[in-house]
Amino acid sequence: ETGVTQSPTHLIKTRGQQVTLRCSSQSGHNTVSWYQQALGQGPQFIFQYYREEENGRGNFPPRFSGLQFPNYSSELNVNALELDDSALYLCASSLGRGDNYGYTFGSGTRLTVV
Amino acid sequence: AQRVTQPEKLLSVFKGAPVELKCNYSYSGSPELFWYVQYSRQRLQLLLRHISRESIKGFTADLNKGETSFHLKKPFAQEEDSAMYYCALSPLGNAGNMLTFGGGTRLMVKP
Repeated sequence: ETGVTQSPTHLIKTRGQQVTLRCSSQSGHNTVSWYQQALGQGPQFIFQYYREEENGRGNFPPRFSGLQFPNYSSELNVNALELDDSALYLCASSLGRGDNYGYTFGSGTRLTVV
Repeated sequence: AQRVTQPEKLLSVFKGAPVELKCNYSYSGSPELFWYVQYSRQRLQLLLRHISRESIKGFTADLNKGETSFHLKKPFAQEEDSAMYYCALSPLGNAGNMLTFGGGTRLMVKP
């Protein structure tokens, strides 16, 4: 059984650019959530995908968008990058929307916007 | 809207001492509460959840709805307990199961 894998592990982008982060969910998990964790803070919910449909969204602007694929892997896209987007982006998968077993987190992608 | 507050950024105790990591929440509905832990150079992982009422690695947490708290406790801290601890809340039910995290408390257990 594989866990949640995220790529890339580190990324440096310039303000105004676009970025795509990728996540492979744990085997058997059909729900993927994305979180942003700024330095010294707890993770903040961006959105969740369940069976390829968005199933909830946090307080993030529309330039944060996502996709979930038939194999339940997922992408997070951020357009028009701003300096404040610099953070660790975490992907978490779970067995269904009902959080009966807790989320399995990936190691994250550290994005630096300069 | 839901909110989770962990008032202590850092908690330092000696090995063998009791430890209590505080967590307070605000939520108008029925919450599900969790503690997640992140050891050095490892990913965030679930430590325990209130609904399962279990003790993991000697840690317990009781949901106090009157005080809207979910403090994490361990009677005798071990050095390997040193880590970052996050309290989190999720609305009960299937819809929009987002986790709301607190800011985290770093626990340091000194020898």
